[in-house]
Amino acid sequence: DAKTTQPPSMDCAEGRAANLPCNHSTISGNEYVYWYRQIHSQGPQYIIHGLKNNETNEMASLIITEDRKSSTLILPHATLRDTAVYYCIVRVAFSNGQNFVFGPGTRLSVLP
Amino acid sequence: DTGVSQNPRHKITKRGQNVTFRCDPISEHNRLYWYRQTLGQGPEFLTYFQNEAQLEKSRLLSDRFSAERPKGSFSTLEIQRTEQGDSAMYLCASSFAGAGANVLTFGAGSRLTVL
Repeated sequence: DAKTTQPPSMDCAEGRAANLPCNHSTISGNEYVYWYRQIHSQGPQYIIHGLKNNETNEMASLIITEDRKSSTLILPHATLRDTAVYYCIVRVAFSNGQNFVFGPGTRLSVLP
Repeated sequence: DTGVSQNPRHKITKRGQNVTFRCDPISEHNRLYWYRQTLGQGPEFLTYFQNEAQLEKSRLLSDRFSAERPKGSFSTLEIQRTEQGDSAMYLCASSFAGAGANVLTFGAGSRLTVL
């Protein structure tokens, strides 16, 4: 599976857009990009995933570059409750070993 | 559906004792995963089941650890002769293995403290 690289921490002002980058330069054509987040003392929460096209849901938008080597998770109007560790994971579908590999993630702090 | 349920949420035990955690996945999900998470780290994969078959185990899963999913529904993770290094959050997740992406739904976790 492709390795991902994320900044260890980021700050964002409440009400502003939070843009969390992820590099996955070795991604292959059949690997999806997933984003999860983990609020303190809770289990990871699924946010969004994508393969090639940009995606949007009620929580966030995912922008994947044309070469698929990087992506950005966008929280359009960050709130204090969005303070969490955000994980970017690349994983191939249909694999027998569906073990998502979590790196250290990005700790996002939303500031009032 | 109430999501993925894990019990107990917290367990404090003395070194050398056995502990067992239970995970009840989302009912229509056929895959079930166990992860371990220590403070400041991302979750680490331990093992996963498809229905009742245990298909993959991490090297982290020592001989003291055993996981079962006897009827393809709930799962248990047992740790025998606990050590202080076993102190961690144990996370369970489930998913439905179908076409396309595989989205995991996690439970709230079971926190183990070994004294």
